[in-house]
Amino acid sequence: AQTVTQSQPEMSVQEAETVTLSCTYDTSESDYYLFWYKQPPSRQMILVIRQEAYKQQNATENRFSVNFQKAAKSFSLKISDSQLGDAAMYFCAYRSQGGSEKLVFGKGTKLTVNP
Amino acid sequence: DSGVTQTPKHLITATGQRVTLRCSPRSGDLSVYWYQQSLDQGLQFLIQYYNGEERAKGNILERFSAQQFPDLHSELNLSSLELGDSALYFCASSRGTSGGEQYFGPGTRLTVL
Repeated sequence: AQTVTQSQPEMSVQEAETVTLSCTYDTSESDYYLFWYKQPPSRQMILVIRQEAYKQQNATENRFSVNFQKAAKSFSLKISDSQLGDAAMYFCAYRSQGGSEKLVFGKGTKLTVNP
Repeated sequence: DSGVTQTPKHLITATGQRVTLRCSPRSGDLSVYWYQQSLDQGLQFLIQYYNGEERAKGNILERFSAQQFPDLHSELNLSSLELGDSALYFCASSRGTSGGEQYFGPGTRLTVL
């Protein structure tokens, strides 16, 4: 079974600075998808970014980018120019290419943005 | 706004009772997923429906059941409720089965007293 590990329960960053959240996963599959979701205090789950394992190019969405290292099974999220609205729980998630389409989540990292 | 709606937003009930949570997927989405978020278990997949048929099951208790109707909305039924069932229940939807993103509803907060 696949597992997702987020080793940083909490992180903090100064406004306008850059922060990187870590995620590692364990799988025997070669094709899969990886996601980062944001959960602000409203509790809504918001998709931040997606990466297909077959793509070598790292995904980017505005201030959010990932560093995908397939061999190391690592999928970190970099937030540039941090804003107060980025404060939230961030969850890393794994999804198989075939078979079950369930998302397997890590336990999350709580990000605090200091003004 | 993800386009996925869930009702009710909050539900408070007593042990032993039965409740129904409702979800309407985004327009055009055929897959509906249910997840449970609790402090001790984190976010866990419960069950998936695709175009009315059950597609995958996760850590769903026998006291829980779900279905997806012809109009594609879905209901999650929780019975013989226990204190430990208190959690945030999310519904998510996606276009189909080809790796599409799952978009989450706002969740239903269930409190069992």
